[in-house]
Amino acid sequence: DARVTQTPRHKVTEMGQEVTMRCQPILGHNTVFWYRQTMMQGLELLAYFRNRAPLDDSGMPKDRFSAEMPDATLATLKIQPSEPRDSAVYFCASGYRGNTEAFFGQGTRLTVV
Amino acid sequence: DAKTTQPPSMDCAEGRAANLPCNHSTISGNEYVYWYRQIHSQGPQYIIHGLKNNETNEMASLIITEDRKSSTLILPHATLRDTAVYYCIVRVAILNTGGFKTIFGAGTRLFVKA
Repeated sequence: DARVTQTPRHKVTEMGQEVTMRCQPILGHNTVFWYRQTMMQGLELLAYFRNRAPLDDSGMPKDRFSAEMPDATLATLKIQPSEPRDSAVYFCASGYRGNTEAFFGQGTRLTVV
Repeated sequence: DAKTTQPPSMDCAEGRAANLPCNHSTISGNEYVYWYRQIHSQGPQYIIHGLKNNETNEMASLIITEDRKSSTLILPHATLRDTAVYYCIVRVAILNTGGFKTIFGAGTRLFVKA
């Protein structure tokens, strides 16, 4: 049963600490998306990769956030330094270019205290 | 930048059909309409998509008006497990890339009641 895997599922950290969230896309998928969900803003698109290259990261705060795909099986989203306002659920999704559906992971619930 | 509008919430009786409307009056001729849903604490789940013809799969049916300015997602026999937020989406083109990004709006919160 192919699925997108995100780790960790939950993370509590202190303000100022570095946070790294990981995503394993479904094997063979060539597009990866990072979303952030909060009660106030809903689901926001942070970054979009195609064939491991960033296609759009206009929704991502550049000063503290960074997203990479070191290889086709791993996508990372890093926050350094973290702030309480970064507390949210971060979702990764993968799909095919030109295909219609994106498959979402279960998310990483981040709490910055 | 969501290109769709949906009612914020709806109720439906268990076993009855749930009809969720969506307006997308600025949709372009080659843009698809997608529906996702998000059950509490889970990641969004793809339901169905369509261009101009009505579509049906094991989860739902999608009815798109002839002018394509609106559509309706139909859950034929809603169950309590269908309680979720339902998102109607028209993807936004990413300039100079040939790619599209999926922008979620606020969605419709569907409550299925026993």
